[in-house]
Amino acid sequence: AQSVTQLGSHVSVSEGALVLLRCNYSSSVPPYLFWYVQYPNQGLQLLLKYTTGATLVKGINGFEAEFKKSETSFHLTKPSAHMSDAAEYFCAVSEARNTGKLIFGQGTTLQVKP
Amino acid sequence: GAVVSQHPSRVICKSGTSVKIECRSLDFQATTMFWYRQFPKQSLMLMATSNEGSKATYEQGVEKDKFLINHASLTLSTLTVTSAHPEDSSFYICSAVRGATDTQYFGPGTRLTVL
Repeated sequence: AQSVTQLGSHVSVSEGALVLLRCNYSSSVPPYLFWYVQYPNQGLQLLLKYTTGATLVKGINGFEAEFKKSETSFHLTKPSAHMSDAAEYFCAVSEARNTGKLIFGQGTTLQVKP
Repeated sequence: GAVVSQHPSRVICKSGTSVKIECRSLDFQATTMFWYRQFPKQSLMLMATSNEGSKATYEQGVEKDKFLINHASLTLSTLTVTSAHPEDSSFYICSAVRGATDTQYFGPGTRLTVL
């Protein structure tokens, strides 16, 4: 069965510093992987996704993630944090490619300090 | 493109009443919609999968008689919380996909408070 683990429920960085949010997955099939962002009292917005092809995926707002099969990881990075990046981030893996269902990680709260 | 709306965004009701939440895909036809529940500071919990014209598939532990889901058209799914109780208070989020392998697009969520 598929599962997702996000290491660190809370990450704090200074404005301008590197952002690294960790995600490891378990999947019995080649996975589809996603990162979503959620601002307070709002739904989820897709940051980026990996399906097939290039393992380094670029998303919106300067974020990118790299699919590493050998490490079963899909960590999210951004070179320079901005105050507006403060939010909740969720990593997700598709349950199976023909259902559309997603399995979400526990979420990581990103705090950006001035 | 791929905008999903929810209505209402916030609802307060008395215990024992029923509440209906609508989820609409505004600019695409959604073959499947999903309903999630999210408690404060927690992740999303999938409640059910809704396919147009067929019965919803509920996740284990979700009471189908309490959380009624109707997917009457390719752009509308509704979740009705029947005989709501304070423990049903939560943030309910829907998502929609155009096809099984498509990205899920999420609505803005509905905050339900049961007094």
